[in-house]
Amino acid sequence: KNEVEQSPQNLTAQEGEFITINCSYSVGISALHWLQQHPGGGIVSLFMLSSGKKKHGRLIATINIQEKHSSLHITASHPRDSAVYICAAGGSQGNLIFGKGTKLSVKP
Amino acid sequence: DTEVTQTPKHLVMGMTNKKSLKCEQHMGHRAMYWYKQKAKKPPELMFVYSYEKLSINESVPSRFSPECPNSSLLNLHLHALQPEDSALYLCASSQYNSYEQYFGPGTRLTVT
Repeated sequence: KNEVEQSPQNLTAQEGEFITINCSYSVGISALHWLQQHPGGGIVSLFMLSSGKKKHGRLIATINIQEKHSSLHITASHPRDSAVYICAAGGSQGNLIFGKGTKLSVKP
Repeated sequence: DTEVTQTPKHLVMGMTNKKSLKCEQHMGHRAMYWYKQKAKKPPELMFVYSYEKLSINESVPSRFSPECPNSSLLNLHLHALQPEDSALYLCASSQYNSYEQYFGPGTRLTVT
């Protein structure tokens, strides 16, 4: 069993839809990271959270420490949101354990 | 300046070559990281440097040799690589360990 599990693996949505990506982890963490990777390789850090909820524009990330579960929500999805979204468990030394990623495709 | 730069963008090398990848940041970050990413797979951590000292080596083969000459610069020296080492090599930095990481664009390495 992987230490960080993401679902779904692939997700296709219509523009405007509300999107949820889930992440479960089995390791102790100092923080949970959500990252976005576009084709070509560039990775952008979206959120780092250790409790509660964070919001940035149309993106919302939540975490339940007791259940070891986090979700990333995208409201009013847009084709430019198409990317791979990666959840990563962060250790105390900065070491990240990555989930396998969710490939999101938003159709116009 | 909130950028992590990596050079070169692309590198093709033979199995007997010696080459180096370079990563630079000027954000005053004290932790720097090397990751390897194969196609359609998530990144895998290779090395973590904290205050210019190697703090994590994830059992990486010795043909990969990291170096942190100062707090802004991180190198990855490559020697006698194998074709299976072909991948995207990503560098990242963070203010301190366990803080938010900023990633560079990566070096796409092909070993022939």
